[in-house]
Amino acid sequence: ELKVEQNPLFLSMQEGKNYTIYCNYSTTSDRLYWYRQDPGKSLESLFVLLSNGAVKQEGRLMASLDTKARLSTLHITAAVHDLSATYFCAVGWFYFGTGTSLTVIP
Amino acid sequence: DAGVTQSPTHLIKTRGQHVTLRCSPISGHKSVSWYQQVLGQGPQFIFQYYEKEERGRGNFPDRFSARQFPNYSSELNVNALLLGDSALYLCASSHLAQGNSPLHFGNGTRLTVT
Repeated sequence: ELKVEQNPLFLSMQEGKNYTIYCNYSTTSDRLYWYRQDPGKSLESLFVLLSNGAVKQEGRLMASLDTKARLSTLHITAAVHDLSATYFCAVGWFYFGTGTSLTVIP
Repeated sequence: DAGVTQSPTHLIKTRGQHVTLRCSPISGHKSVSWYQQVLGQGPQFIFQYYEKEERGRGNFPDRFSARQFPNYSSELNVNALLLGDSALYLCASSHLAQGNSPLHFGNGTRLTVT
């Protein structure tokens, strides 16, 4: 069974700082998704990464995919409070990571 | 257009009872998937249906079943409820059976088993 691991599981960062969330998966795949979930809410799609070397950016978030390393990253630039949420990576539609709970503090 | 709608939003059941959760996909979407999300964890895949046929099944016991109707809405049934079935149940839809588009999730049904 495919395993998807994220780290860190919990991240507390100050506003204005940069940080990266890592998503490792155990078998080859060329479809990687990132979702955001606010407390008590459903999942919202952020990025779709479909090929090796794919990079997508939206505002202060940038996602990348290295299929050879089986690694995706979600980079946060100059964090703001509104980015506080839980972020999930997913390989295809069936395998979700454990989630990274991000708290941005003033 | 309305998004994915799920009902009910909250439900409290007793061990041993059964429950039916309902999902209406986005208009035009023919694929519906169900997930269980336990507090503090990522969603776990339960079922996928496309054009009324089961296309995928996760590692869940036979107490879990689902079906998709001609209008592409779907039901998830869970029999003989256990305390461990307490979770947020998410439904997601897509216009493809499998593909490169992300899933569109509903707001979920919060099931509490006492």
